[in-house]
Amino acid sequence: DQQVKQNSPSLSVQEGRISILNCDYTNSMFDYFLWYKKYPAEGPTFLISISSIKDKNEDGRFTVFLNKSAKHLSLHIVPSQPGDSAVYFCAASHFSGGSNYKLTFGKGTLLTVNP
Amino acid sequence: KAGVTQTPRYLIKTRGQQVTLSCSPISGHRSVSWYQQTPGQGLQFLFEYFSETQRNKGNFPGRFSGRQFSNSRSEMNVSTLELGDSALYLCASTPLPQVYEQYFGPGTRLTVT
Repeated sequence: DQQVKQNSPSLSVQEGRISILNCDYTNSMFDYFLWYKKYPAEGPTFLISISSIKDKNEDGRFTVFLNKSAKHLSLHIVPSQPGDSAVYFCAASHFSGGSNYKLTFGKGTLLTVNP
Repeated sequence: KAGVTQTPRYLIKTRGQQVTLSCSPISGHRSVSWYQQTPGQGLQFLFEYFSETQRNKGNFPGRFSGRQFSNSRSEMNVSTLELGDSALYLCASTPLPQVYEQYFGPGTRLTVT
């Protein structure tokens, strides 16, 4: 059972335009959500996060929106740059009865920003 | 600070063999997690260690095991390798298990033939 879903395997946008990456989750126990970016031959790099008590978090060109009622979050990149081309993973944290947290990842969306 | 390091970076093994992968977390980080990345499944959680104790385990068979040493370095072992174990194995560290943001190493690419 996939608890975090990224339904778009790929997305292509023009440089300077907005990129919107989407993520849905099913587990209502998730209390923190993160986005990671991954380049080939490198490990994922933390990008931005949001707590379930908020509905928006912004960091420079990156904004994450959380809609808890829809169990949906999105990452907006404005303006998109060619260097943003990478695989983007949505992840959610799950409080598991103690002080332990693990991340549940989606399968990723390949973003290509065309010059 | 140096990042998370993983050794070896690439490994080729034969079915039935066993393999040990190593991870050195960022200095001062005490929690280490392991993930398996495959094209079809994305990143899947294997296990998490803190203070030499396994505190979380994902849904993987017992052939997958790990340990953490007193200096927070961690190893994972896969016994009786199967073709389906071919994947990128990623290690991530955090200062404490309560910190959500994890810092990943570059991974070990394991190919089983």
